Amino acid sequence: AQSVTQPDIHITVSEGASLELRCNYSYGATPYLFWYVQSPGQGLQLLLKYFSGDTLVQGIKGFEAEFKRSQSSFNLRKPSVHWSDAAEYFCAASNNAGNMLTFGGGTRLMVKP
Amino acid sequence: DSGVTQTPKHLITATGQRVTLRCSPRSGDLSVYWYQQSLDQGLQFLIQYYNGEERAKGNILERFSAQQFPDLHSELNLSSLELGDSALYFCASSVLGDGIYGYTFGSGTRLTVV
Repeated sequence: AQSVTQPDIHITVSEGASLELRCNYSYGATPYLFWYVQSPGQGLQLLLKYFSGDTLVQGIKGFEAEFKRSQSSFNLRKPSVHWSDAAEYFCAASNNAGNMLTFGGGTRLMVKP
Repeated sequence: DSGVTQTPKHLITATGQRVTLRCSPRSGDLSVYWYQQSLDQGLQFLIQYYNGEERAKGNILERFSAQQFPDLHSELNLSSLELGDSALYFCASSVLGDGIYGYTFGSGTRLTVV
């Protein structure tokens, strides 16, 4: 069965520190991969997506993600976290038919001053 | 503003009742997806419509139904509501029936069943 796993439910980092959020997927073929962010009481905003090509993808708000086929991973990174980055982050995937997104359980990011 | 409009933003209703959630997709998008977000189940895909036709079904209960109208807006009907149906319901849209151009989410409808 297709699945997306985010191993870390909560992560706390200090403002200015680097960030890496983990995402692993289980799909028959390489899926389309996405990272979304959800601020409290808000909808889901797309940070970045990967379909093919360069395995390092740049997104909005200074985020990037690296696709690693050998590890079935699509980890999200940011070199320096800002207090406004505190939110919940969701990794998601869809197959090539792209009928629907399968979401991971989410990682809640807290930022210490 | 993402361009996907969901109404109402909040809904409080009693068990056993029926409600309708509405979604207007982003201009030009033909496909609409409905998702349910709850604390215990996370984000779950419910159903997809593409240009008026049902395209895919996920974990949607028989008490729930949806449709997409000729103007491409969609409605999600929830009936015989139970306490466990309390959740945030999201609508997303995409240009085509696949996600190659990405999915745009609305801000959701928060349903509380009391």
